[in-house]
Amino acid sequence: SYELTQAPSVSVALGQTARVTCGGHNIGSRNVHWYQQRSGQAPVLVIYRDKNRPSGIPERFSGSNSGNTATLTITRAQAGDEADYYCQVWDTSSYVFGTGTKVTVL
Amino acid sequence: EVQLVESGGGLVRPGGSLTLSCAASGFTFSAYSMNWVRQAPGKGLEWVSSISSGGRDIHYAGSVRGRFTISRDNAKNSLYLQMSSLRAEDTAVYYCARDAGSGGSCFYYWGQGTLVSVSS
Repeated sequence: SYELTQAPSVSVALGQTARVTCGGHNIGSRNVHWYQQRSGQAPVLVIYRDKNRPSGIPERFSGSNSGNTATLTITRAQAGDEADYYCQVWDTSSYVFGTGTKVTVL
Repeated sequence: EVQLVESGGGLVRPGGSLTLSCAASGFTFSAYSMNWVRQAPGKGLEWVSSISSGGRDIHYAGSVRGRFTISRDNAKNSLYLQMSSLRAEDTAVYYCARDAGSGGSCFYYWGQGTLVSVSS
């Protein structure tokens, strides 16, 4: 089965840029989606199909995908961006989530 | 406004059964695939099951196949998950999630979740 690997945690200073990576074999050939989950809340889709933002998601959130790594970039990080972030792909009749990355805004 | 409201969670003994429901509103329910995703306490997200818009195409995660049954009633704008032979490891918050549409392969909208606790 396909596996997605994420670093457990990432720290970013307020106003700086955070990068959350998602590793998988040849992930660049797949559509990658990203979810934000604040503490005690349901997940929210922040990036779909590698680089697209749903309505209401700030432009500070962007995505890229190439080779074996997909990346979620959060620019000008705010306190409200502190959350767990999960990547996700579709693989042979099933959905696969990454292990999740906790982003801490210092 | 899209709304997904789960219900039916609770405490159940190992080996027991439970049925979850998800009431959908704010979109044409019959046009979208629907899904159940769960999250064990302190753990990550795990996809559980999906059902196509018409109900013909159904998929399950290996961890629940043969024990859980997903279904939908498009006339009632409702999604269901029948869970049987429940185990302690099925303890989780269960989320109902709508597909993106057009083969989007992602979960565009989520409900707030319902907690299922399996314990003796």
